[in-house]
Amino acid sequence: DTGVSQDPRHKITKRGQNVTFRCDPISEHNRLYWYRQTLGQGPEFLTYFQNEAQLEKSRLLSDRFSAERPKGSFSTLEIQRTEQGDSAMYLCASLGQGGHHQSEEYFGPGTRLTVT
Amino acid sequence: AQKITQTQPGMFVQEKEAVTLDCTYDTSDPSYGLFWYKQPSSGEMIFLIYQGSYDQQNATEGRYSLNFQKARKSANLVISASQLGDSAMYFCAMLSGGYNKLIFGAGTRLAVHP
Repeated sequence: DTGVSQDPRHKITKRGQNVTFRCDPISEHNRLYWYRQTLGQGPEFLTYFQNEAQLEKSRLLSDRFSAERPKGSFSTLEIQRTEQGDSAMYLCASLGQGGHHQSEEYFGPGTRLTVT
Repeated sequence: AQKITQTQPGMFVQEKEAVTLDCTYDTSDPSYGLFWYKQPSSGEMIFLIYQGSYDQQNATEGRYSLNFQKARKSANLVISASQLGDSAMYFCAMLSGGYNKLIFGAGTRLAVHP
C-alpha cells in the first residue's frame, strides 16, 4: 500500500496527558499537511511542511501543539496537556512536487482523538 | 478572506437519479482552484474533481461533473446516476492565497435511497 498512513487510528486519553500521532506520507511527496476536523465540520488547516521545513502554522495551533518532520519523510504531531476541546479527527495529507495545480492532496485515514 | 459555503447540511436522492450539491466561494485572488472531496463513514478524504479558475470548460470525472459559474462564484458538484455507495459527506474546498493550503466548507451529507 503506497498511500498515506496514520498511526494510531484511534486514541483515548485523559485530560492533561500528552499524545503523539504519526503520519507517513506517499514516499515521493515533499509536502505534508496536518488538518483537524471536529464533528459536523470540514477539515481545518493546522500546519504544513515542505520537506523538513515547517512553512506555515495556523493560529489554531496553540503552544500545546508541536509538529515535526525531521528527515522530510514521516511527521509527528504532539499535543501536550490535552483538553477536552482537543477531541477531533486529525488528518494528514501529502502533495507532490507539482503542487496543488498538478495534483490533489492525498489524505490518510485520520487519527480520532477522544479526551475524557 | 477566503471562504467556502455549503448551504445544504443534508441531501437525499433516489438511486440512479442525479443530484447537485451546492458550493459558493469567496476570494479576491484572480487565480484559484476548487476541489470536491468525498468522506465516507470510514473517515478518509477521497479526491473527486478539480476546477481551476482559468479553466475554460467545466471539469468532469466519470459520474462527477462540476458546474462552475465564475460570475456567481459557485462550483456545484453534480453526481449522475447515483449509487448506494455514494452515500457520504461531501466537502468543497478552495486553494487559499499563496496556494499553500485548502480551505474547506462545512460539508453536505448525501444519502442515496434504493
